[in-house]
Amino acid sequence: AQSVTQLDSQVPVFEEAPVELRCNYSSSVSVYLFWYVQYPNQGLQLLLKYLSGSTLVKGINGFEAEFNKSQTSFHLRKPSVHISDTAEYFCAVSTGGSYIPTFGRGTSLIVHP
Amino acid sequence: SAVISQKPSRDICQRGTSLTIQCQVDSQVTMMFWYRQQPGQSLTLIATANQGSEATYESGFVIDKFPISRPNLTFSTLTVSNMSPEDSSIYLCSVLGDGETQYFGPGTRLLVL
Repeated sequence: AQSVTQLDSQVPVFEEAPVELRCNYSSSVSVYLFWYVQYPNQGLQLLLKYLSGSTLVKGINGFEAEFNKSQTSFHLRKPSVHISDTAEYFCAVSTGGSYIPTFGRGTSLIVHP
Repeated sequence: SAVISQKPSRDICQRGTSLTIQCQVDSQVTMMFWYRQQPGQSLTLIATANQGSEATYESGFVIDKFPISRPNLTFSTLTVSNMSPEDSSIYLCSVLGDGETQYFGPGTRLLVL
Protein backbone atom coordinates (compact mmCIF):
# COMPACT_ATOMS: atom_id res chain seq x y z
CA ALA A 1 0.00 0.00 0.00
CA GLN A 2 1.13 3.53 -0.68
CA SER A 3 1.26 6.49 1.67
CA VAL A 4 1.79 10.23 1.31
CA THR A 5 3.42 12.67 3.72
CA GLN A 6 3.05 16.40 3.37
CA LEU A 7 5.70 17.69 5.70
CA ASP A 8 4.25 21.14 6.32
CA SER A 9 0.71 21.72 7.54
CA GLN A 10 0.99 25.45 6.95
CA VAL A 11 3.32 27.58 4.81
CA PRO A 12 3.15 31.37 5.20
CA VAL A 13 4.86 33.41 2.52
CA PHE A 14 4.88 36.98 1.26
CA GLU A 15 3.46 37.90 -2.11
CA GLU A 16 5.94 37.59 -5.02
CA ALA A 17 8.21 35.31 -3.01
CA PRO A 18 9.00 31.76 -4.20
CA VAL A 19 7.40 28.81 -2.48
CA GLU A 20 7.95 25.07 -2.21
CA LEU A 21 5.37 22.67 -0.78
CA ARG A 22 6.89 19.34 0.12
CA CYS A 23 5.47 15.90 -0.57
CA ASN A 24 7.05 12.50 0.06
CA TYR A 25 5.50 9.16 -0.74
CA SER A 26 6.15 5.51 -0.11
CA SER A 27 5.27 2.72 -2.49
CA SER A 28 6.78 -0.57 -3.53
CA VAL A 29 5.62 -0.18 -7.13
CA SER A 30 5.67 2.55 -9.74
CA VAL A 31 3.40 5.46 -8.98
CA TYR A 32 1.31 8.22 -10.43
CA LEU A 33 1.55 11.52 -8.56
CA PHE A 34 -0.85 14.45 -8.35
CA TRP A 35 -1.19 17.87 -6.82
CA TYR A 36 -4.66 19.31 -6.22
CA VAL A 37 -5.65 22.76 -4.97
CA GLN A 38 -8.73 23.58 -2.92
CA TYR A 39 -9.69 27.24 -2.76
CA PRO A 40 -11.94 28.33 0.13
CA ASN A 41 -15.44 26.90 -0.18
CA GLN A 42 -14.64 25.03 -3.40
CA GLY A 43 -13.91 21.49 -4.53
CA LEU A 44 -10.53 20.11 -5.56
CA GLN A 45 -8.93 21.27 -8.80
CA LEU A 46 -6.12 19.38 -10.49
CA LEU A 47 -2.93 21.45 -10.60
CA LEU A 48 -0.63 18.94 -12.28
CA LYS A 49 0.20 15.27 -12.50
CA TYR A 50 3.08 12.93 -13.20
CA LEU A 51 2.29 9.67 -14.97
CA SER A 52 5.53 8.97 -16.84
CA GLY A 53 8.19 10.68 -18.96
CA SER A 54 9.85 13.94 -18.00
CA THR A 55 10.29 14.26 -14.27
CA LEU A 56 9.61 18.02 -14.36
CA VAL A 57 5.91 18.62 -14.71
CA LYS A 58 4.33 21.99 -15.38
CA GLY A 59 0.79 22.73 -14.31
CA ILE A 60 -1.73 25.52 -14.21
CA ASN A 61 -1.28 28.91 -12.56
CA GLY A 62 2.53 28.82 -12.91
CA PHE A 63 3.08 25.81 -10.65
CA GLU A 64 5.52 23.01 -11.37
CA ALA A 65 6.66 19.86 -9.60
CA GLU A 66 9.58 17.50 -9.94
CA PHE A 67 9.38 13.76 -9.50
CA ASN A 68 12.46 12.46 -7.70
CA LYS A 69 12.38 8.69 -7.59
CA SER A 70 15.51 8.26 -5.47
CA GLN A 71 14.15 10.60 -2.80
CA THR A 72 10.53 9.47 -3.30
CA SER A 73 9.47 13.09 -3.48
CA PHE A 74 7.17 15.24 -5.61
CA HIS A 75 7.61 18.78 -4.33
CA LEU A 76 5.48 21.61 -5.70
CA ARG A 77 7.07 24.94 -6.56
CA LYS A 78 6.14 28.38 -7.78
CA PRO A 79 8.75 31.11 -8.39
CA SER A 80 6.46 34.01 -7.43
CA VAL A 81 3.19 33.62 -5.55
CA HIS A 82 0.09 35.82 -5.61
CA ILE A 83 -2.48 36.53 -2.95
CA SER A 84 -4.90 34.44 -5.00
CA ASP A 85 -2.72 31.35 -4.46
CA THR A 86 -3.89 31.23 -0.85
CA ALA A 87 -5.51 27.80 -0.62
CA GLU A 88 -5.15 24.23 0.62
CA TYR A 89 -2.85 22.02 -1.47
CA PHE A 90 -3.11 18.24 -1.51
CA CYS A 91 -0.53 15.77 -2.79
CA ALA A 92 -1.85 12.38 -3.89
CA VAL A 93 -0.34 9.11 -5.11
CA SER A 94 -1.82 6.12 -6.87
CA THR A 95 -0.42 2.97 -8.39
CA GLY A 96 -1.14 1.74 -11.87
CA GLY A 97 -4.59 0.21 -12.18
CA SER A 98 -5.85 1.21 -8.74
CA TYR A 99 -7.57 4.44 -9.91
CA ILE A 100 -7.96 5.49 -6.30
CA PRO A 101 -5.28 7.85 -4.99
CA THR A 102 -4.10 8.18 -1.43
CA PHE A 103 -4.19 11.81 -0.32
CA GLY A 104 -1.85 13.64 1.99
CA ARG A 105 -3.18 15.68 4.88
CA GLY A 106 -2.83 18.92 2.96
CA THR A 107 -0.69 22.06 3.21
CA SER A 108 -2.29 25.42 3.80
CA LEU A 109 -0.50 28.07 1.73
CA ILE A 110 -1.05 31.53 3.15
CA VAL A 111 0.17 34.41 1.01
CA HIS A 112 0.57 37.73 2.81
CA PRO A 113 0.65 41.11 1.06
CA SER B 1 -11.99 17.07 -18.38
CA ALA B 2 -15.61 16.45 -17.41
CA VAL B 3 -17.73 19.16 -15.81
CA ILE B 4 -19.19 17.95 -12.53
CA SER B 5 -21.99 19.59 -10.57
CA GLN B 6 -23.38 18.78 -7.14
CA LYS B 7 -26.64 19.63 -5.40
CA PRO B 8 -27.09 21.02 -2.85
CA SER B 9 -23.94 23.09 -2.49
CA ARG B 10 -24.53 23.35 1.25
CA ASP B 11 -27.16 22.45 3.83
CA ILE B 12 -27.87 22.64 7.53
CA CYS B 13 -29.76 19.63 8.86
CA GLN B 14 -31.15 18.39 12.14
CA ARG B 15 -29.81 15.24 13.73
CA GLY B 16 -31.74 12.11 12.90
CA THR B 17 -32.73 13.28 9.43
CA SER B 18 -31.31 12.21 6.06
CA LEU B 19 -29.90 14.20 3.15
CA THR B 20 -29.49 13.08 -0.45
CA ILE B 21 -26.68 14.65 -2.47
CA GLN B 22 -26.77 14.58 -6.26
CA CYS B 23 -23.81 14.45 -8.62
CA GLN B 24 -24.24 15.16 -12.33
CA VAL B 25 -21.53 14.82 -15.00
CA ASP B 26 -21.73 16.37 -18.46
CA SER B 27 -20.40 13.25 -20.18
CA GLN B 28 -20.57 9.50 -19.66
CA VAL B 29 -17.97 8.17 -17.26
CA THR B 30 -17.18 4.65 -16.20
CA MET B 31 -16.15 5.26 -12.63
CA MET B 32 -17.61 7.64 -10.06
CA PHE B 33 -16.58 8.00 -6.44
CA TRP B 34 -17.81 9.62 -3.24
CA TYR B 35 -15.43 11.17 -0.70
CA ARG B 36 -15.80 12.75 2.71
CA GLN B 37 -13.63 15.62 3.92
CA GLN B 38 -14.05 16.27 7.61
CA PRO B 39 -13.20 19.75 8.93
CA GLY B 40 -9.51 20.47 8.56
CA GLN B 41 -8.83 16.97 7.27
CA SER B 42 -7.86 15.28 4.05
CA LEU B 43 -10.14 13.24 1.81
CA THR B 44 -11.45 9.81 2.73
CA LEU B 45 -13.02 7.58 0.11
CA ILE B 46 -16.52 6.44 1.07
CA ALA B 47 -17.33 4.22 -1.90
CA THR B 48 -17.10 3.60 -5.62
CA ALA B 49 -20.47 4.06 -7.30
CA ASN B 50 -21.03 1.24 -9.79
CA GLN B 51 -23.51 1.65 -12.60
CA GLY B 52 -26.19 -1.02 -12.46
CA SER B 53 -24.92 -2.71 -9.32
CA GLU B 54 -24.31 -2.08 -5.64
CA ALA B 55 -21.63 0.40 -4.64
CA THR B 56 -18.29 -0.82 -3.33
CA TYR B 57 -17.74 0.56 0.18
CA GLU B 58 -14.45 1.24 1.90
CA SER B 59 -13.67 -0.02 5.36
CA GLY B 60 -15.62 1.91 7.97
CA PHE B 61 -18.50 2.88 5.67
CA VAL B 62 -21.71 0.87 5.32
CA ILE B 63 -24.61 0.91 2.93
CA ASP B 64 -27.23 1.50 5.63
CA LYS B 65 -25.55 4.77 6.60
CA PHE B 66 -24.47 5.92 3.12
CA PRO B 67 -26.73 4.39 0.47
CA ILE B 68 -25.57 5.20 -3.06
CA SER B 69 -27.40 5.03 -6.37
CA ARG B 70 -25.89 5.07 -9.88
CA PRO B 71 -28.77 4.73 -12.36
CA ASN B 72 -26.70 5.69 -15.42
CA LEU B 73 -23.23 6.78 -16.56
CA THR B 74 -23.75 10.49 -15.82
CA PHE B 75 -25.52 10.59 -12.46
CA SER B 76 -25.14 9.37 -8.89
CA THR B 77 -26.60 10.12 -5.47
CA LEU B 78 -25.23 9.71 -1.97
CA THR B 79 -27.58 9.71 1.01
CA VAL B 80 -26.33 10.48 4.49
CA SER B 81 -28.81 8.70 6.75
CA ASN B 82 -29.82 9.28 10.37
CA MET B 83 -27.36 12.13 10.64
CA SER B 84 -25.42 13.15 13.73
CA PRO B 85 -23.12 16.14 14.26
CA GLU B 86 -20.15 13.85 13.45
CA ASP B 87 -21.45 13.70 9.87
CA SER B 88 -20.73 17.41 9.40
CA SER B 89 -18.29 17.39 6.49
CA ILE B 90 -17.75 18.27 2.88
CA TYR B 91 -18.96 15.49 0.60
CA LEU B 92 -17.31 15.35 -2.82
CA CYS B 93 -18.05 13.28 -5.85
CA SER B 94 -15.36 12.56 -8.40
CA VAL B 95 -14.98 10.81 -11.73
CA LEU B 96 -12.10 8.95 -13.30
CA GLY B 97 -10.83 10.83 -16.33
CA ASP B 98 -7.90 10.54 -18.70
CA GLY B 99 -4.56 9.31 -17.45
CA GLU B 100 -6.07 7.61 -14.42
CA THR B 101 -6.80 11.05 -12.98
CA GLN B 102 -9.71 11.85 -10.71
CA TYR B 103 -11.66 15.06 -11.24
CA PHE B 104 -13.80 16.48 -8.47
CA GLY B 105 -17.09 18.25 -8.14
CA PRO B 106 -17.46 21.46 -6.12
CA GLY B 107 -18.56 19.60 -2.98
CA THR B 108 -21.56 19.70 -0.66
CA ARG B 109 -20.98 21.36 2.70
CA LEU B 110 -23.11 19.72 5.36
CA LEU B 111 -23.63 20.95 8.90
CA VAL B 112 -25.63 18.77 11.28
CA LEU B 113 -27.03 20.38 14.39
